[in-house]
Amino acid sequence: DTAVSQTPKYLVTQMGNDKSIKCEQNLGHDTMYWYKQDSKKFLKIMFSYNNKELIINETVPNRFSPKSPDKAHLNLHINSLELGDSAVYFCASSQASVYEQYFGPGTRLTVT
Amino acid sequence: AQSVTQLGSHVSVSEGALVLLRCNYSSSVPPYLFWYVQYPNQGLQLLLKYTTGATLVKGINGFEAEFKKSETSFHLTKPSAHMSDAAEYFCAVSPSSGSARQLTFGSGTQLTVLP
Repeated sequence: DTAVSQTPKYLVTQMGNDKSIKCEQNLGHDTMYWYKQDSKKFLKIMFSYNNKELIINETVPNRFSPKSPDKAHLNLHINSLELGDSAVYFCASSQASVYEQYFGPGTRLTVT
Repeated sequence: AQSVTQLGSHVSVSEGALVLLRCNYSSSVPPYLFWYVQYPNQGLQLLLKYTTGATLVKGINGFEAEFKKSETSFHLTKPSAHMSDAAEYFCAVSPSSGSARQLTFGSGTQLTVLP
């Protein structure tokens, strides 16, 4: 029944490691997003994919690389993790003709 | 560029009292407007949205918001607060045209409901 799912829910890792977060939506939407929520709960767009094509790429370090194998999936790969990458990462999806976005439960990334 | 300002990072109300969460936006053209709620350790849930048409929009859980173009505002209200309304509330805007429909969020308002 889950509309937008993310795995893992929690991720604890050490500086310098490489990790991935997976996102899947079963709503049939054509656009998917990654947002970052920092420790002060501020939310900021990172990436957006429409039909597997990157359409938004905000100013994020190139250590972050999104990958969309198909319309239902948008994964986030992070290289050489840094302490400042600790945050909650949210995946979202929407349909172009309907403007609201549906969010996943979030992945809390802690870098030690 | 679009921006959103939420006045009051923390709002406390008594149970049964009126809830008023303020949101003002800045945009060169009228954007689409949204309110989302985030409960602890959960994702964001859409409360309501304004795109076109009637400027007073009703959402889930008894919330409503009014789009006032002249004031560039989209304040969220609920006549009577419940304990279960305690959460973080985010106002957001998105472009009303183009393929890039990313949400730009305000900084959030933490709502506390006192018994």
